[in-house]
Amino acid sequence: DGGITQSPKYLFRKEGQNVTLSCEQNLNHDAMYWYRQDPGQGLRLIYYSQIVNDFQKGDIAEGYSVSREKKESFPLTVTSAQKNPTAFYLCASSSGTTITYNEQFFGPGTRLTVL
Amino acid sequence: ELKVEQNPLFLSMQEGKNYTIYCNYSTTSDRLYWYRQDPGKSLESLFVLLSNGAVKQEGRLMASLDTKARLSTLHITAAVHDLSATYFCAVEEASGSRLTFGEGTQLTVNP
Repeated sequence: DGGITQSPKYLFRKEGQNVTLSCEQNLNHDAMYWYRQDPGQGLRLIYYSQIVNDFQKGDIAEGYSVSREKKESFPLTVTSAQKNPTAFYLCASSSGTTITYNEQFFGPGTRLTVL
Repeated sequence: ELKVEQNPLFLSMQEGKNYTIYCNYSTTSDRLYWYRQDPGKSLESLFVLLSNGAVKQEGRLMASLDTKARLSTLHITAAVHDLSATYFCAVEEASGSRLTFGEGTQLTVNP
């Protein structure tokens, strides 16, 4: 089945620790995205990538880093510089074309908690 | 900077009633998306609206887009409890590739 997977589902981080969230898709999509959602809030864009080996900062990139070495994979690292990382993290992908449209499909999410 | 505003943010309604959620946005775009999120879950795509006057319907939900007014509506007809969820609109910027989301409307349908 085609889809987007995220792991782990729950993640606990100690102060000062870097953690990496995994996002994989087998939809053959060019574009991938990372969002952060705080309780009762909308989605805020952290980073996005439209093509392998290229990515752009979103609205809240500070304290996060990404890589896009493979089309299928777009891992997000939450660094110790991110002072308030407790949130629900959502990964999405889209075909990325501006010729048609850019409907995004979402993974199940990772819930990160700082201990 | 593109801004997307939804109202109301919270909506409590009785089963069988009708209501409309509004999504206003600040800059030119003709691509708008509606998503549903159940508590603790991810987002599920509901509607894709790609032109002025576009109307899409699925069951008790109908979405429309007026690009001149920079407004989309999500109309709920004869609400049922299963529609309880948070609904987000998202606007695709004219340059493509990224979406800007509204804050979401938390809908509760009471028996």
